[in-house]
Amino acid sequence: NAGVTQTPKFQVLKTGQSMTLQCAQDMNHNSMYWYRQDPGMGLRLIYYSASEGTTDKGEVPNGYNVSRLNKREFSLRLESAAPSQTSVYFCASRTGGGAKNIQYFGAGTRLSVL
Amino acid sequence: GQQLNQSPQSMFIQEGEDVSMNCTSSSIFNTWLWYKQDPGEGPVLLIALYKAGELTSNGRLTAQFGITRKDSFLNISASIPSDVGIYFCAGQDAGGTSYGKLTFGQGTILTVHP
Repeated sequence: NAGVTQTPKFQVLKTGQSMTLQCAQDMNHNSMYWYRQDPGMGLRLIYYSASEGTTDKGEVPNGYNVSRLNKREFSLRLESAAPSQTSVYFCASRTGGGAKNIQYFGAGTRLSVL
Repeated sequence: GQQLNQSPQSMFIQEGEDVSMNCTSSSIFNTWLWYKQDPGEGPVLLIALYKAGELTSNGRLTAQFGITRKDSFLNISASIPSDVGIYFCAGQDAGGTSYGKLTFGQGTILTVHP
């Protein structure tokens, strides 16, 4: 079972470059999420997609855009990367509503912006 | 926004010792989750708690959902070297338009000396 797959695993960008982080899940989940993880700050929600065709801002959306391409795929785009976006990015998915549905995470993308 | 305070930030223990960590929140959650993150990987769910006062075990791990719904505790008994990692608590808003968004604690870094 692949679960949640993120690509690439590592990326180095120069300030001002753009890139797209890819995420795909094979669990037929409705909801998908993008987080960033910084030392001492836990994981913070960037954007989420409650279902195919919808996206909403999370806690730290500035500098990012997302696309829910289909039910499986949810991409995160940095249009003009900044050093402050150096972080580890995690994608997660969840079946849908209901208290007992939980999020499953990918292995992460480690991004450095120079 | 919601905030979770997780403590301690780090722990250095000897193999065989018991470990306790906790999270407190400024607001109420419907669900408390405990995740573990190994180096280079995404968070993996350890225990999910769905009801105030609930006490749940998973092997050597035991977690409790606080009566006030604003706190949770995780205990690890008889620690072993593979318990090393970062432990995160997370509160989940399961209902309404929240779509299962998670608020994470800052993490507890656990080191186990053989």
